[in-house]
Amino acid sequence: GQQLNQSPQSMFIQEGEDVSMNCTSSSIFNTWLWYKQDPGEGPVLLIALYKAGELTSNGRLTAQFGITRKDSFLNISASIPSDVGIYFCAGPVNAGGTSYGKLTFGQGTILTVHP
Amino acid sequence: GAGVSQSPSNKVTEKGKDVELRCDPISGHTALYWYRQSLGQGLEFLIYFQGNSAPDKSGLPSDRFSAERTGGSVSTLTIQRTQQEDSAVYLCASSFFQREQYFGPGTRLTVT
Repeated sequence: GQQLNQSPQSMFIQEGEDVSMNCTSSSIFNTWLWYKQDPGEGPVLLIALYKAGELTSNGRLTAQFGITRKDSFLNISASIPSDVGIYFCAGPVNAGGTSYGKLTFGQGTILTVHP
Repeated sequence: GAGVSQSPSNKVTEKGKDVELRCDPISGHTALYWYRQSLGQGLEFLIYFQGNSAPDKSGLPSDRFSAERTGGSVSTLTIQRTQQEDSAVYLCASSFFQREQYFGPGTRLTVT
């Protein structure tokens, strides 16, 4: 099945710094999703991308759907302590699908923010 | 309104015992999903229910795993003859058709 590879695996940054993480796949995806998971909680959807080249923002978060449709990145500007958590990229198991359905997830990027 | 709830939040069981994990989806959501998250890993799809259609069981790792959804609402994931490699967090999600999935807090299963 499709495999999503996230990098970096972990990041340690100072409060106020910007963060960038990315996700790549060997398959073409028509939908890219970025989730955040806090300790002891389930993932929460941050941003959904539906079109190659699309750039979408949600507050301090910006995500882009790569033009090849095989990658996506997530940027966080001016990080704050509550940004701590695990960030996952995800896409439909049926990679060419445009709806969500069952999802496949990357292995996650662990973000630590030092005050 | 209430989100997705799961019970128990933690379960410790002995190898070989059966366990049942429960998921209460968001009211009105038509689809329900089970995922498994092993330590330090992403989520792995297990099974998917959509309305009255036959469930998509393509992600179940073995025939020791089964799930049912009663009345189009509550779902139970059953693991028979648990093994140590079954230790993980089991997450349930629900959605309105194939729209955004809302996840519950998960059940942490430890098999000793």
